[in-house]
Amino acid sequence: EVQLVESGGGLVQPGGSLRLSCAASRVIFRTYSMHWVRQAPGKGLEWVASISDSGHIMYYADSVKGRFTISRDNVKNSLYLQLSSLRGEDTAVYYCASNGAPASFDIWGHGTVVTVSS
Amino acid sequence: EIVLAQSPGTLSLSPGERVTLSCRASQSVTSNYLAWYQQKPGQSPRLLIYLASTRATGIPDRFSGSGSGTDFTLTISRLEPEDFAVYYCQQYGGSSWTFGQGTKVEFK
Repeated sequence: EVQLVESGGGLVQPGGSLRLSCAASRVIFRTYSMHWVRQAPGKGLEWVASISDSGHIMYYADSVKGRFTISRDNVKNSLYLQLSSLRGEDTAVYYCASNGAPASFDIWGHGTVVTVSS
Repeated sequence: EIVLAQSPGTLSLSPGERVTLSCRASQSVTSNYLAWYQQKPGQSPRLLIYLASTRATGIPDRFSGSGSGTDFTLTISRLEPEDFAVYYCQQYGGSSWTFGQGTKVEFK
């Protein structure tokens, strides 16, 4: 079973940047598209970004387009999310998730917390 | 973008009861690409159902999904103590994914 472990969260000032990482436990990572989903404090789930298994196709939610960049390294079995021009409304737990079941997120990491505040 | 509306917002129930949660889409969901998740406080979401009615690996058969087009339902045939949680529906539209706002199933 694929296990996902996020890291890189923290406190950052508005306008700042941060890079999140997600390490996958198995080589099977390279056959799955991968995703970032976030959850603001006390709120529901919001899809953020997705990347195809090859890394050639990326999609973004309108709320983060132009500010966040998703990438992956299939040699290192790792997924990344570069966060830039951060705003208070980006404060959330950020989860990475795999797309091992059709059109859904079957495996989730434990999440990493991003807090945007001065 | 397809918007998902879940109802009710909160359900207050007792163990052993039957639960029916609704998820309504603003337009037809492509190929029944509709999933359901369970999330307990302090935990990551857990996939329950995908393709509207297929149970994910390890999910008990008291959980079932149904529906098509714009109207989908998650049913828990007999509520167990560990089922008290928030439930989200999610759809895939080709280049974006959206979640419903969630339904909280709480202990009565």
